[in-house]
Amino acid sequence: QVQMVQSGAEVKKPGASVKVSCKASGYTFTGYYMHWVRQAPGQGLEWMGWINPDSGVTDFSQKFQGRLTMTGDTSISTAYMELSGLRSDDAAVYYCARQDVLANYYFDSWGHGTLVSVSS
Amino acid sequence: SYVLTQPPSVSVAPGQTARITCGGNYIGSKIVHWYQQKPGQAPVLVVYDNSDRPSGIPERFSGSNSGNTATLTISRVEAGDEADYYCQVWDSYSDVVFGGGTKLTVL
Repeated sequence: QVQMVQSGAEVKKPGASVKVSCKASGYTFTGYYMHWVRQAPGQGLEWMGWINPDSGVTDFSQKFQGRLTMTGDTSISTAYMELSGLRSDDAAVYYCARQDVLANYYFDSWGHGTLVSVSS
Repeated sequence: SYVLTQPPSVSVAPGQTARITCGGNYIGSKIVHWYQQKPGQAPVLVVYDNSDRPSGIPERFSGSNSGNTATLTISRVEAGDEADYYCQVWDSYSDVVFGGGTKLTVL
């Protein structure tokens, strides 16, 4: 069955970077875009961007331009999201979510989420 | 940027029908998807492409989209349907957009 296993919780200081991984299994990794969505405590969902793991092409929300990097390693079916220059308002649960490259922009499977805390 | 507006909360008695709206400018010209999120869990897709249901989602969940409003309808509501619900679209300028979410309370 489809599984997307994310890396564990992180605690970072302001100004630092965080890198979250998402290991996929049970499907063809290169057949799906990988999106990243975050959710601040008690808040709604916020889309960050996506990567095509096959080509490495990315597209980011303008809000994160310059701070966000997404990569993929097809040999181990793992996607990565790295956010730099962390601020207190970056504290959130970060989710990976897959999108069929042939489908409209919806997410039919999600990772379990990775909690990122930002505190001095 | 494109904005999706959802009511913060909707309450319904068990067995009744819940309707959760998602407002947006000419949203009827866009394709809407809906997610259910229970506390401490990742979102789950419940309706995609306006009105289609993924496998495993009960027929009680349905969607519609016209004009400036999309609607998620949950028939014969059960206690287990209590959750936050989010609508989502793709917009050519804003990319992926989520509504603010609606908390469904089953009385």
